[in-house]
Amino acid sequence: QKEVEQDPGPLSVPEGAIVSLNCTYSNSAFQYFMWYRQYSRKGPELLMYTYSSGNKEDGRFTAQVDKSSKYISLFIRDSQPSDSATYLCAMSANAGGTSYGKLTFGQGTILTVHP
Amino acid sequence: GAGVSQSPRYKVAKRGQDVALRCDPISGHVSLFWYQQALGQGPEFLTYFQNEAQLDKSGLPSDRFFAERPEGSVSTLKIQRTQQEDSAVYLCASSLRLVGDTQYFGPGTRLTVL
Repeated sequence: QKEVEQDPGPLSVPEGAIVSLNCTYSNSAFQYFMWYRQYSRKGPELLMYTYSSGNKEDGRFTAQVDKSSKYISLFIRDSQPSDSATYLCAMSANAGGTSYGKLTFGQGTILTVHP
Repeated sequence: GAGVSQSPRYKVAKRGQDVALRCDPISGHVSLFWYQQALGQGPEFLTYFQNEAQLDKSGLPSDRFFAERPEGSVSTLKIQRTQQEDSAVYLCASSLRLVGDTQYFGPGTRLTVL
């Protein structure tokens, strides 16, 4: 079983819909939680970054972390066709030990927002 | 340029050939990571450098994979005697310091082994 599980989708929604993307994880050492967006044939770009539990909002994007349930979410409000991409959750462990901040990714969810 | 650059963007190799993939991180970034992304999968960690020191190579899949960063800036990932299962996108990322800092990714090198 992988340390981070993410539903690969694909997910297809109409423009303006609210999108919910989720990941679960098993490693209690994870403290930093990120969502990356990856367009076709491009590298991942950071969307949201959260340390430990809680919510964070940035424009149309909201990230939630529930460490007690080992569950993280990304919500996209008023989705746009330009949001069509693969969304990757990623996590890293705290300082100390030998994690060095390496990221453990989910499989990625392919999202299509159609006009 | 302000971002991470990688070259070549695409590489086709015949099975058994050696390849070298280059990464130019953001200037001044201490940390450099290599990831491998198979088709339809998320990136998977290969190796990590802090300046010129390779501190973690636990993700390298075999001894055919070798990485270096001799002067603490540009890094090269070398794959010897390529196999078909090495076909993937190889991503490089850099960050300013260590744990908790944002990792900025390059566009990747797509390697196809025939």
